[in-house]
Amino acid sequence: GAGVSQSPSNKVTEKGKDVELRCDPISGHTALYWYRQRLGQGLEFLIYFQGNSAPDKSGLPSDRFSAERTGGSVSTLTIQRTQQEDSAVYLCASGEHTYEQYFGPGTRLTVT
Amino acid sequence: QKEVEQNSGPLSVPEGAIASLNCTYSDRGSQSFFWYRQYSGKSPELIMSIYSNGDKEDGRFTAQLNKASQYVSLLIRDSQPSDSATYLCAVQLLGVFGNEKLTFGTGTRLTIIP
Repeated sequence: GAGVSQSPSNKVTEKGKDVELRCDPISGHTALYWYRQRLGQGLEFLIYFQGNSAPDKSGLPSDRFSAERTGGSVSTLTIQRTQQEDSAVYLCASGEHTYEQYFGPGTRLTVT
Repeated sequence: QKEVEQNSGPLSVPEGAIASLNCTYSDRGSQSFFWYRQYSGKSPELIMSIYSNGDKEDGRFTAQLNKASQYVSLLIRDSQPSDSATYLCAVQLLGVFGNEKLTFGTGTRLTIIP
């Protein structure tokens, strides 16, 4: 079946601009996660959704970062007033009751 | 102390040999353990999950968990060049909703030498 999809695959933006990253989870998966991976580094948790609510936002690095999920499906991660340190691959994962998380292909964000 | 620790490598193993990857974690409340494989420029791919002490085998892969020692490992038998990748250990706490965030190690880079 279809896996997790993310768009865009690549995004280049100027410092100070806002960006929106989209994630379509695997159909039927109630849990959705956003992670960030800087070049050569490990994965960093950002936020977790169960349905449309976000029980854990502890990983969001600043108030410039926000995320929402509607209809228990698609999620959007928004970064306002982007900074160069926001450059990274943003990964979305989804899962169900088995606890296993399956990752999408990621969005590579470059802030110039 | 990092929450999840892995040797960053690189770990070089001859083709056909056994590759052994290790991971330790700090939170004794950790419930679920996963190994992901990540090829360069790609996203992580789940290859093994393990939830109870002991061994779990799937094809050429065996995951081993020892909660008393807070240690999880991955063995790859009959290593192939296609196994060359970075292997990420991930640990999950069981929360109110069941699925909780994964805490990742920084990964071990494995190279299989033909």
